[in-house]
Amino acid sequence: NAGVTQTPKFQVLKTGQSMTLQCAQDMNHEYMSWYRQDPGMGLRLIHYSVGAGITDQGEVPNGYNVSRSTTEDFPLRLLSAAPSQTSVYFCASGRAYEQYFGPGTRLTVT
Amino acid sequence: GQQVMQIPQYQHVQEGEDFTTYCNSSTTLSNIQWYKQRPGGHPVFLIQLVKSGEVKKQKRLTFQFGEAKKNSSLHITATQTTDVGTYFCAEPTSGTYKYIFGTGTRLKVLA
Repeated sequence: NAGVTQTPKFQVLKTGQSMTLQCAQDMNHEYMSWYRQDPGMGLRLIHYSVGAGITDQGEVPNGYNVSRSTTEDFPLRLLSAAPSQTSVYFCASGRAYEQYFGPGTRLTVT
Repeated sequence: GQQVMQIPQYQHVQEGEDFTTYCNSSTTLSNIQWYKQRPGGHPVFLIQLVKSGEVKKQKRLTFQFGEAKKNSSLHITATQTTDVGTYFCAEPTSGTYKYIFGTGTRLKVLA
């Protein structure tokens, strides 16, 4: 039981490049979400999903796309990376009463 | 929009002193969650409170949900160096699973 896994752990992108951050969970959780955390700041919700085929926007969705084709996977796509997207990205899964977070992806956009 | 204020932003305590962080919402909540994030780590779920006036304890940690369900607190008795980290509350947007996190309280414990 691996819990919530995220890949890659670190990534450097140039402005304008696109990429996908991967997130997978093996706990059969319906709820999954993506957060970003800037240095010394709290967590801001980007997108979330309450089940396969269902996604919705969080607080800061611009510049990001998600899809949920299976219960296990919830990838986050950066369409055209910008320096303002430099951050640590956390994926989480859970039920209504708790969330389990992955180890995070540290993204730098130059 | 929904705002989750947490105070204080920072707290430095001597080991053995008590610590309290407060979470205040602009809306009445269905529930509230608390998380701890160690430096360089990821948030870890601590507890969820659901009932008005609810008080729950986990060893030296005491969690409380306000009577009006608009505020919550986390109190640590006799802090230890292992308590170092940032404590976040998280609350759902009404009727959804969309959780908004508070700004967090960063705790440093001086040995």
